Amino acid sequence: GDSVTQTEGPVTVSESESLIINCTYSATSIAYPNLFWYVRYPGEGLQLLLKVITAGQKGSSRGFEATYNKETTSFHLQKASVQESDSAVYYCALGDSNYQLIWGSGTKLIIKP
Amino acid sequence: EAAVTQSPRSKVAVTGGKVTLSCHQTNNHDYMYWYRQDTGHGLRLIHYSYVADSTEKGDIPDGYKASRPSQENFSLILELASLSQTAVYFCASSDAGYAEQFFGPGTRLTVL
Repeated sequence: GDSVTQTEGPVTVSESESLIINCTYSATSIAYPNLFWYVRYPGEGLQLLLKVITAGQKGSSRGFEATYNKETTSFHLQKASVQESDSAVYYCALGDSNYQLIWGSGTKLIIKP
Repeated sequence: EAAVTQSPRSKVAVTGGKVTLSCHQTNNHDYMYWYRQDTGHGLRLIHYSYVADSTEKGDIPDGYKASRPSQENFSLILELASLSQTAVYFCASSDAGYAEQFFGPGTRLTVL
């Protein structure tokens, strides 16, 4: 079946440094799944960070970027310079052929001031 | 602003007891979902619904029932709660199966 694997956390990064959280997927039910990054800030509910529905395209939001790479089946999340407010748990997900979301296990990001 | 609310926010239940988790959305969305999350794992879909008075099984429906009495409300029912059902439960809504899902804050359920 479809699956998503992402960087195991917690990941600790110093403020203003760069970040990459890896996400790779296996999609057997659908050739071109929609790909998503969701985020849960402390005390808040899950919310969409960005999504990309076309292979080769890049999505961006709040300084984060992720490129849909069909060849490597990856959708890594990157940010050039993190801030303390980026501390959160990040989830990679794909939309399967039934339009249900298949989730990664989440990556807790800790930003050191 | 669109919102998904859940009640209760936390609950302690006894093994064998009945538990009902409630979800209410003001998004006017057709789709609603119930997920569970265990520590260190991603979300797993329990039940979902795309229209009132109808529910569908997700990936892990065993031990759970769902009810969608109206477009706004979606409940998850544990008829005989078990220790293995201790988890955090999230409700979500979306206006289409492939669209962004909006999540509630979660319910932390502890079964003793």
